[in-house]
Amino acid sequence: SQQGEEDPQALSIQEGENATMNCSYKTSINNLQWYRQNSGRGLVHLILIRSNEREKHSGRLRVTLDTSKKSSSLLITASRAADTASYFCATDETGGAQKLVFGQGTRLTINP
Amino acid sequence: NAGVTQTPKFRVLKTGQSMTLLCAQDMNHEYMYWYRQDPGMGLRLIHYSVGEGTTAKGEVPDGYNVSRLKKQNFLLGLESAAPSQTSVYFCASRRPGTGRFYNEQFFGPGTRLTVL
Repeated sequence: SQQGEEDPQALSIQEGENATMNCSYKTSINNLQWYRQNSGRGLVHLILIRSNEREKHSGRLRVTLDTSKKSSSLLITASRAADTASYFCATDETGGAQKLVFGQGTRLTINP
Repeated sequence: NAGVTQTPKFRVLKTGQSMTLLCAQDMNHEYMYWYRQDPGMGLRLIHYSVGEGTTAKGEVPDGYNVSRLKKQNFLLGLESAAPSQTSVYFCASRRPGTGRFYNEQFFGPGTRLTVL
């Protein structure tokens, strides 16, 4: 079953603009992670936010987590053509086995 | 370090044939995972292993078997391939850590499998 649901499924913006992607999940979690996948490649870890954190930054990335709403958002500021990729959220459920549950992803396209 | 590697990169099988996908990691990670990725479905967990000699079922284990005889290798087998197993297969590994100390997964480049 898919734990995370990303919104929107696809996003197209101009280079330099900010991109925001959202993820909702259903059960209690220990942490939430965001991954990027370039076309035809494997996933690359971007950032991890723990359940007791509300916001985290890494370079041009900003992640928020609202455990009361069971949602997270990924903001990419000053987007670049190289940011074109699919972005997935993944959750590690409390009490669950040692595995992540991935959402279906947001396809981000940055237009030059 | 090569990280996580997968062989082969591409494969075409006929229905009923068998094959083994190899995943290798040189990061001394305890945990390893096999996923499949289908269009619009995200990643779904097939099997995983929390250590040498141990394996467990994931979300979609039917039609697959796995083995973890060596810590650095995790094999995924298809005994009798079916067209429904046409997919891109990804292997991943990570260091131990649970709960709030869960660590990120490192992914291989994927194996694109087509079953005719």
